[in-house]
Amino acid sequence: DAKTTQPPSMDCAEGRAANLPCNHSTISGNEYVYWYRQIHSQGPQYIIHGLKNNETNEMASLIITEDRKSSTLILPHATLRDTAVYYCIVRGHTGTASKLTFGTGTRLQVTL
Amino acid sequence: KAGVTQTPRYLIKTRGQQVTLSCSPISGHRSVSWYQQTPGQGLQFLFEYFSETQRNKGNFPGRFSGRQFSNSRSEMNVSTLELGDSALYLCASSLQDGFNYGYTFGSGTRLTVV
Repeated sequence: DAKTTQPPSMDCAEGRAANLPCNHSTISGNEYVYWYRQIHSQGPQYIIHGLKNNETNEMASLIITEDRKSSTLILPHATLRDTAVYYCIVRGHTGTASKLTFGTGTRLQVTL
Repeated sequence: KAGVTQTPRYLIKTRGQQVTLSCSPISGHRSVSWYQQTPGQGLQFLFEYFSETQRNKGNFPGRFSGRQFSNSRSEMNVSTLELGDSALYLCASSLQDGFNYGYTFGSGTRLTVV
């Protein structure tokens, strides 16, 4: 699986959009970008994933650049409950690609 | 619907002992994966079971083993515990491969080895 690079920490004011970047310059054509987050003392939570088109769900939006070498997770209106470590993961969809390779993630702190 | 249930939540064991952790996946989920989380190494994949067969394995010593039952419930076992095995052990389940809807994680079992 391709390696990802994320900033170690970010701050965001409550109510503002949180934009979390991720670099995955070695991503291959059949690899997807997944985002998970882990709130303190809980297991990771799936947020969203995409291949090359922008994706949106009830939790967030995912913007993937045209060359697919980087992406941005957008939380449109961050709340205190969004304070967590956010992991960007690249994985293929082949039958044996069942594991998730977590990096160090970005610790997002949402403040009043 | 009920989430992924891991038992026990906390466990204290002595070096050299063995331990068994349990995971009940979401009803209908056939894939169960296990992860170890430590402050130094972060989240690391242990193994994955699908329909009672180990489908993928991480880079852990043979002291770490697991199994899955016909009802998809899974157990992992760690024998001859070492201090470094102290960690949060997380279980994740998915319908098949976690591709379209991701994996659902439990809250974990925190193991302390003394």
